[in-house]
Amino acid sequence: AQKVTQAQTEISVVEKEDVTLDCVYETRDTTYYLFWYKQPPSGELVFLIRRNSFDEQNEISGRYSWNFQKSTSSFNFTITASQVVDSAVYFCALSGASGAGSYQLTFGKGTKLSVIP
Amino acid sequence: SQTIHQWPATLVQPVGSPLSLECTVEGTSNPNLYWYRQAAGRGLQLLFYSVGIGQISSEVPQNLSASRPQDRQFILSSKKLLLSDSGFYLCAWSRDSDSYEQYFGPGTRLTVT
Repeated sequence: AQKVTQAQTEISVVEKEDVTLDCVYETRDTTYYLFWYKQPPSGELVFLIRRNSFDEQNEISGRYSWNFQKSTSSFNFTITASQVVDSAVYFCALSGASGAGSYQLTFGKGTKLSVIP
Repeated sequence: SQTIHQWPATLVQPVGSPLSLECTVEGTSNPNLYWYRQAAGRGLQLLFYSVGIGQISSEVPQNLSASRPQDRQFILSSKKLLLSDSGFYLCAWSRDSDSYEQYFGPGTRLTVT
């Protein structure tokens, strides 16, 4: 069975601070995919990134960066110089690489980020 | 570019009434389609997915059903709503290959009274 744990339920930061959202996953698959999604107050989930289990390179996209560590089963997300527009619920998700498991995204319960001006 | 639509945006229905939520995708062909429910507490639960017309897989046995009458149309239905069916229903699509990211629609907020 797959499981995604986002231990931080809610985080508040002051604008321009850096913030890291934690994600720990469990899977028996040797190949799998990890994702991050953003859910602003409007409700629509916005895709941010997909990472393959065989690619442990960290990735940076503007103010966003992701740290994937297979040894600790973690896929953490850092926002640098946070802005009010970053306020949202952020979800980490996991899927298998083949068969029926590849169609199912297992989501964590999300971390609600509030950026205070 | 691809676009995904859902309607209605909000719905208030009494217990025991029927339900029909519709989702359509534009700008792609033969997508995989998904229905999720997000109940209070924010967790997302996959309800159904479809890899083609008439092909529906159910992840959670419950009071709901899904149908895919056309390539880019996905419908979520119920004959008799329960209070526990309240929630935020999200439709999503992905490319017709394994493990691609899913793109979500704007959602339908359903309140069963």
